[in-house]
Amino acid sequence: NAGVTQTPKFQVLKTGQSMTLQCAQDMNHNSMYWYRQDPGMGLRLIYYSASEGTTDKGEVPNGYNVSRLNKREFSLRLESAAPSQTSVYFCATDRNYGYTFGSGTRLTVV
Amino acid sequence: TQLLEQSPQFLSIQEGENLTVYCNSSSVFSSLQWYRQEPGEGPVLLVTVVTGGEVKKLKRLTFQFGDARKDSSLHITAAQPGDTGLYLCAGTPSTGNQFYFGTGTSLTVIP
Repeated sequence: NAGVTQTPKFQVLKTGQSMTLQCAQDMNHNSMYWYRQDPGMGLRLIYYSASEGTTDKGEVPNGYNVSRLNKREFSLRLESAAPSQTSVYFCATDRNYGYTFGSGTRLTVV
Repeated sequence: TQLLEQSPQFLSIQEGENLTVYCNSSSVFSSLQWYRQEPGEGPVLLVTVVTGGEVKKLKRLTFQFGDARKDSSLHITAAQPGDTGLYLCAGTPSTGNQFYFGTGTSLTVIP
């Protein structure tokens, strides 16, 4: 089925550790996004990529880096995890008629 | 301050009851989208409303876009436990290009 696939589903990190969240879409869309969702804060945009080879900062980019590896894949990297980065992370894609989200990565930083 | 304010924030009702969720802004939106998010999953697009005054129906769900395109509502008739979830409105203001999500309404339908 067409959609957005995120890995891993769950992750626990120690403060200072690094990790990469993976996202792949098979909808042939140009735009891809990374959001974080926190209680009381809603969905906040971290980074987005309007097309292969381009990336731009969103509302809360500090502490994150991204790579648009090709049209299908858009990864999010935490170089040195902090407890403030404990959140649920969603990857999404769209083509003007609405977002398709992955099922999320629940990240806990201890 | 959120650009899209949703109310109520939480709603718990009995199966069979009707309810309305509101999405309000001081800005004009070119269109608004409604999403439902179930626990442990990402939001799923329900509908997009584009024209001021537009009404769209999706089975027991009725979506309306305000005449001035600053607000929208979601009405659910005869709610069922399967309607439980977080309802989010979202859109891009007419004068900008940033996409915003609302604060969300968490709905629980009790059997």
